[in-house]
Amino acid sequence: EPEVTQTPSHQVTQMGQEVILRCVPISNHLYFYWYRQILGQKVEFLVSFYNNEISEKSEIFDDQFSVERPDGSNFTLKIRSTKLEDSAMYFCASTRDTSSGNTIYFGEGSWLTVV
Amino acid sequence: DAKTTQPTSMDCAEGRAANLPCNHSTISGNEYVYWYRQIHSQGPQYIIHGLKNNETNEMASLIITEDRKSSTLILPHATLRDTAVYYCIGLGYFSSGSARQLTFGSGTQLTVLP
Repeated sequence: EPEVTQTPSHQVTQMGQEVILRCVPISNHLYFYWYRQILGQKVEFLVSFYNNEISEKSEIFDDQFSVERPDGSNFTLKIRSTKLEDSAMYFCASTRDTSSGNTIYFGEGSWLTVV
Repeated sequence: DAKTTQPTSMDCAEGRAANLPCNHSTISGNEYVYWYRQIHSQGPQYIIHGLKNNETNEMASLIITEDRKSSTLILPHATLRDTAVYYCIGLGYFSSGSARQLTFGSGTQLTVLP
């Protein structure tokens, strides 16, 4: 069964460093998302991406965050200068289209620890 | 997106049916009800979705009331591996009408007991 894959599964980084989290969405999907979950808290929407541009973003997704689809398969989330409060599990998700009844599929997540 | 209300936690005996309720009284006519689960900080796993009719797949059944104000997810024979947080979500559009997003609440912690 096709799945969303994410790398790395776990990354530890120093505060202030840049981090890139990578995702390979399901191959025929066109809409891509990043969500995050701080330990013990709800899963929160960060950004959605379609046709090589951001469709929607939340208040969390400020100037230190960026997303990119550098080639036909990868979808990346970059955090430019990490802060302690960026420590969280980051989930990538994708869907084929946004018609009613279509399903969004999630990857297993990348656990980011900022020290 | 419709606001959904779920119990904080439930227990179920292994091998028995687990019935997880969800209230979504503000759901709009074209808004699907989706169920996901999350096992111990893994990625949210899609379970099932429906609009008006009851639905069944290999994982679960979804019973939606006729007025669509509530639904019940049924795991017919719960196993220990079904212990997870279960989310009931009304999948709506952004205000711009563009891509959909999922708004996760706190969900129901289902614990399957041996």
